[in-house]
Amino acid sequence: QSALTQPASVSGSPGQSITISCTGTSSDVGGYNYVSWYQQHPGKAPKLMIYDVSRRPSGVSNRFSGSKSGNTASLTISGLQAEDEADYYCSSYTSSSTWVFGGGTKLTVL
Amino acid sequence: QVQLVQSGAEVKKPGTSVKVSCQASGYTFNSYGISWVRQAPGQGLEWMGWINAYNGNTKYAQKVQGRVTMTRDTSTSTANMELRSLRSDDTAVYYCARHSGTSTWLSVDVWGQGTTVTVSS
Repeated sequence: QSALTQPASVSGSPGQSITISCTGTSSDVGGYNYVSWYQQHPGKAPKLMIYDVSRRPSGVSNRFSGSKSGNTASLTISGLQAEDEADYYCSSYTSSSTWVFGGGTKLTVL
Repeated sequence: QVQLVQSGAEVKKPGTSVKVSCQASGYTFNSYGISWVRQAPGQGLEWMGWINAYNGNTKYAQKVQGRVTMTRDTSTSTANMELRSLRSDDTAVYYCARHSGTSTWLSVDVWGQGTTVTVSS
């Protein structure tokens, strides 16, 4: 199972919006509405930000939103804040009953 | 509160085995699944496998199949991950993570603090 494809890095200024893409295949992202997004600050464990493509766990800011079109899922962060600077990973359930992660995207808040 | 507390850091020689434990608290252990995910230094997350804490059913990633065994002890609410025939590229932080139910497709919602495993001669 190959890793999902994410851009290595994205950046934005405070208050702006950014979108991180996550491209897979019809055997993972395209085939199921089981895509999750995780935020990871340096030296910390990942934190769930979005699950089931677009659902937000309790306590996660509504500045974070998710969507999917075909084999590509997206995470959008609006009203960028300094504390959003982190690594972001997508993950998807697959047709092999396994999970696969994306390579990760480093978000820099300028 | 829901918490996963992992065992401490390990240093192992190539060819040996390591066992990492993950003790759950704050929820009914056998109503959820547990995945193990690792992260090599400076690298991304890699899913290793999953165990259903209710019945012990497992699913492993092809990359570690044959070298990994995941078990659980419901009496102590503990999940374990044993990796054998260690190589230098197994050096990583290993995380346990709880799924939001016992079905494989449910997302991971809670993570342990991570256990550093270093493989070096």
